[in-house]
Amino acid sequence: DVVLTQTPPTLSATIGQSVSISCRSSQSLLDSDGDTYLNWLLQRPGQSPQPLMYSVSNLESGVPNRFSGSGSETDFTLKISGVEAEDLGVYHCMQATHAPWTFGGGTKLELK
Amino acid sequence: QIQLVQSGPELKKPGESVKISCKASGYTFTDYTMHWVKQAPGKGLKWMGWINTYTGKPTYADDFKGRFVFSLEASASTANLQISNLKNEDTATYFCARHWGDYWGQGVMVTVSS
Repeated sequence: DVVLTQTPPTLSATIGQSVSISCRSSQSLLDSDGDTYLNWLLQRPGQSPQPLMYSVSNLESGVPNRFSGSGSETDFTLKISGVEAEDLGVYHCMQATHAPWTFGGGTKLELK
Repeated sequence: QIQLVQSGPELKKPGESVKISCKASGYTFTDYTMHWVKQAPGKGLKWMGWINTYTGKPTYADDFKGRFVFSLEASASTANLQISNLKNEDTATYFCARHWGDYWGQGVMVTVSS
């Protein structure tokens, strides 16, 4: 199974600060169809995960453009340019290139 | 608007069975796959598998073969997860999620305790 390693596990930020989360894969997530199925989700406390980004860098509808995604093959990054209070929670990367789908261990974003 | 509404929390004893439902609305049910994801208390997300909502064919991740069954009531736009012979380690929140995870149910907390 593909292992996704997220760092850091916890991120402390002030409002307005820019932060980045890394997601590294144990194997390439480039699919034979040319797409890379690496997605990002945010799970706020007590809520279900909600989609942020799909296929590395495509913003899900309604997600603010302070979120951006980048990367290829095995190294991926989610960046938040100017953290807002509503961004707090656990960020999960997930891959859907290889079965079984797998998730990273999560990065908890909290206020400093 | 698109919604996935899951059934309510469950408290079960070891060895019992549970059936969780996920009712979809706001889109054509058979156009998108439905996935199931487990989240144990304080833990991360684990993909259980998926069901083809058009054909009804389920696919299970290795850790969820045997006691877990995905099914459909397509006429009711509903996907179901049944877990038999419940064990303490099945205590978790179970989410349904459409397609790649673009929509999620609110989750069902299943507690297994004697």
